[in-house]
Amino acid sequence: ETGVTQTPRHLVMGMTNKKSLKCEQHLGHNAMYWYKQSAKKPLELMFVYNFKEQTENNSVPSRFSPECPNSSHLFLHLHTLQPEDSALYLCASSQEGGGTYEQYFGPGTRLTVT
Amino acid sequence: LAKTTQPISMDSYEGQEVNITCSHNNIATNDYITWYQQFPSQGPRFIIQGYKTKVTNEVASLFIPADRKSSTLSLPRVSLSDTAVYYCLVEYGGATNKLIFGTGTLLAVQP
Repeated sequence: ETGVTQTPRHLVMGMTNKKSLKCEQHLGHNAMYWYKQSAKKPLELMFVYNFKEQTENNSVPSRFSPECPNSSHLFLHLHTLQPEDSALYLCASSQEGGGTYEQYFGPGTRLTVT
Repeated sequence: LAKTTQPISMDSYEGQEVNITCSHNNIATNDYITWYQQFPSQGPRFIIQGYKTKVTNEVASLFIPADRKSSTLSLPRVSLSDTAVYYCLVEYGGATNKLIFGTGTLLAVQP
């Protein structure tokens, strides 16, 4: 148990569906992240939120829309996805500042787009 | 272009010391190097972080040469439960938007 939870753990959706992934951290951290992990590829940083403000969007298609209502919750809204978007989506949190940090990851949501 | 590369896989036996190297040629002066361990169906878990020379904790050591273009994770006396994928992460430019994970090294520990 890392203190970061993600729901759902598994999701199957069609290309015309709209769904949301949820992440919650119970660690009092001020930064949260979404990563995509595809088979045989390194983890790809998608979005970063620092103190609830989005600080980075790494050229992610607009069919992925993040939302961070407070420093403990992070959502990833999905719509009109493509089969190549099937992957493990990981959420992480960290405490920014002080020069060093350690990211705590959730277990991930395994997404399959049909 | 910032890039972080690792060997795809390594094999070892129980009780041996394992060294996994990561190359990060474009690392800058203030960039940190972090290593994570990932088991199937789980998110990565922090192992160790360093900036220069050597860092040691209860599970691993991290060696960083003077030019900082590579780093080596050292796992002493591995056991079967250390079979996992190991990732290095470099925070290029000291900004969270330049987090580049390595390709990952699958360590297989045999009895």
